[in-house]
Amino acid sequence: SYVLTQPPSVSVAPGQTARITCGGNNIGSKSVHWYQQKPGQAPVLVVHDDRDRPSGIPERFSGSNSGNTATLTISRVEAGDEADYCCQVWDSISDHAVFGGGTKLTVL
Amino acid sequence: EVQLVQSGAEVKKPGESLKISCKGSGYSFTSYWIGWVRQMPGKGLEWMGIIYPGDSDTRYSPSFQGQVTISADKSISTAYLQWTSLKASDTAMYYCARRTAAYFDSWGQGALVTVSS
Repeated sequence: SYVLTQPPSVSVAPGQTARITCGGNNIGSKSVHWYQQKPGQAPVLVVHDDRDRPSGIPERFSGSNSGNTATLTISRVEAGDEADYCCQVWDSISDHAVFGGGTKLTVL
Repeated sequence: EVQLVQSGAEVKKPGESLKISCKGSGYSFTSYWIGWVRQMPGKGLEWMGIIYPGDSDTRYSPSFQGQVTISADKSISTAYLQWTSLKASDTAMYYCARRTAAYFDSWGQGALVTVSS
């Protein structure tokens, strides 16, 4: 089955740029989606189809996807961005959703 | 406004059965797949399966096939996740989520299931 690999943690100072990666075999050929989950809350979609933002998501959140790595980039990081971030693809071969293990973003 | 409202927290004993629900509103319930996602304490998201309420077409993750049953009652816009014999390892938060294209754009608030003797 398809596997998505994320770093367990990323730390960044306020105002800086955070980059969270999601690795997978030829992931560039798939559409990647990203979710933010704050403690005690349900996940929220922040980027879909590699780089598209749902309404209400700040422009500071952006995405890219190429080769074997997809990246969620958060510019001008704020304290309120501290959360777990998880990538997801739809594996068309198995017709199943696949989630990455999640990355905890810490704002220093 | 799209909303998915899940049933409340449950505390059960090993071996007991359970059915939790997810009621959709604000959209055509029969036109979108509803997925179920498990999150064990301190862990990441795991996809369990998905159902299309329009015709009850259902798919399961191999990890959950035979362990749970996903169903839906389109007459009341509600999807279900059920167990016939709970185990302590089923203790987790369970989310339902609406699938749009290949992603989940709306999520329920989650239902905490605790299985303990």
